[in-house]
Amino acid sequence: ELKVEQNPLFLSMQEGKNYTIYCNYSTTSDRLYWYRQDPGKSLESLFVLLSNGAVKQEGRLMASLDTKARLSTLHITAAVHDLSATYFCAVDLPGNQFYFGTGTSLTVIP
Amino acid sequence: DAGITQSPRHKVTETGTPVTLRCHQTENHRYMYWYRQDPGHGLRLIHYSYGVKDTDKGEVSDGYSVSRSKTEDFLLTLESATSSQTSVYFCAISGADRGYEQYFGPGTRLTVT
Repeated sequence: ELKVEQNPLFLSMQEGKNYTIYCNYSTTSDRLYWYRQDPGKSLESLFVLLSNGAVKQEGRLMASLDTKARLSTLHITAAVHDLSATYFCAVDLPGNQFYFGTGTSLTVIP
Repeated sequence: DAGITQSPRHKVTETGTPVTLRCHQTENHRYMYWYRQDPGHGLRLIHYSYGVKDTDKGEVSDGYSVSRSKTEDFLLTLESATSSQTSVYFCAISGADRGYEQYFGPGTRLTVT
């Protein structure tokens, strides 16, 4: 059974600080995805990582993928309040079955 | 935004009644998915489809069935709803472009009393 684990599950950080969210998965996969969800809303795609060593950046968020370690990271630089949301990683198995982590709830405090 | 809608958006039903949720896309994507979201569990795949009349089970498929008779529509049916099926249900679509990135519908909040 595939497991996708995120940590931390809850993160409270001050504006201007940096932090990293980790996503570990238990089986081989070359495709990993990051999503954002605001309370009461649907999921919005942030990053698509398709190979070992892939790095994507958008604004204050940067995602990377190490397929050998089965690890992806989502790094937050100089956090702002607008980044408060729940972040999910998801792994794609052959046949396009997606397995999601349980999410990291991020709160950025002014 | 990807053209994906879900109906109904909210539904309250009684235990033992059948319920059908509809997902409609205008993107002509090959893959369609149904997930449920519950606190502490993230999103869990119920069923997915890789083409018209081609479907397969996900990790939490018991008590659910699906049908896809047209590319644009994917139906999720709860044959006899139970309280444990109270959840928020999301439909998603994906295609080969952008590495099978998924686009999500707005969700359906289902309450089974």
